Amino acid sequence: DIVMTQSPDSLAVSLGERATINCRSSQSVLYSSNNKNYLAWYQLKPGQPPKLLIYWASTRESGVPDRFSGSGSGTDFTLTISSLQADDVAVYYCQQYYATPWAFGQGTKVEIK
Amino acid sequence: QVQLQESGPGLVKPSQTLSLTCTVSGGSISSGDYYWNWIRQPPGKGLEWIGYVSYSGTTYYSPSLRSRLTMSVDKAKNQFSLKLSSVAAADTAVYYCAVGLGFWSGYSHGVYMDVWGKGTTVTVSS
Repeated sequence: DIVMTQSPDSLAVSLGERATINCRSSQSVLYSSNNKNYLAWYQLKPGQPPKLLIYWASTRESGVPDRFSGSGSGTDFTLTISSLQADDVAVYYCQQYYATPWAFGQGTKVEIK
Repeated sequence: QVQLQESGPGLVKPSQTLSLTCTVSGGSISSGDYYWNWIRQPPGKGLEWIGYVSYSGTTYYSPSLRSRLTMSVDKAKNQFSLKLSSVAAADTAVYYCAVGLGFWSGYSHGVYMDVWGKGTTVTVSS
């Protein structure tokens, strides 16, 4: 099974500053035939369902602010919030959908410093 | 736009079977290439993917829950369901249903979940 590991577990960032979350998979989630990384990012706020932010590692879901961006390939991925807003306080999860059982990382809690 | 809504009992006794239903609106559960998922979040913990049932009725269950799980589709009611047997306190969680298109990865069909239900809280307690 593919194991997803995020770092850090939590981080505190000042408003307007950059937040960076890392996600590592225990094996590559890149499918060579279509050159796509089967990696998604979700945002989870208390009392709300998870919200898809990024899929294919770097494609922003419709309606997601462009301060959110995803990068990486193979086994190492990053979610970047370029200028943290108060509304971005949440827990963020990566998910691999390359091979069943699909798996989430343990989550990274983002707070305001 | 497809919308999902979970329903089921909020309280289940230990050793009994948890049954949840997800009602699909704004689209057909029979639409090709969609995978209908269940995910849960225990209190204070992260997201756990439980499994899926496909548009054709194919299922895949998380190995950790496989022996206790059954998922199915009811096309007439435009619903899909989850049954988890022999529940214990560790099954207490918010349960979400979610859906996405499947994309072949060389190993299996992969799904990023772009539509989610609001979630339903299930407590296992006597």
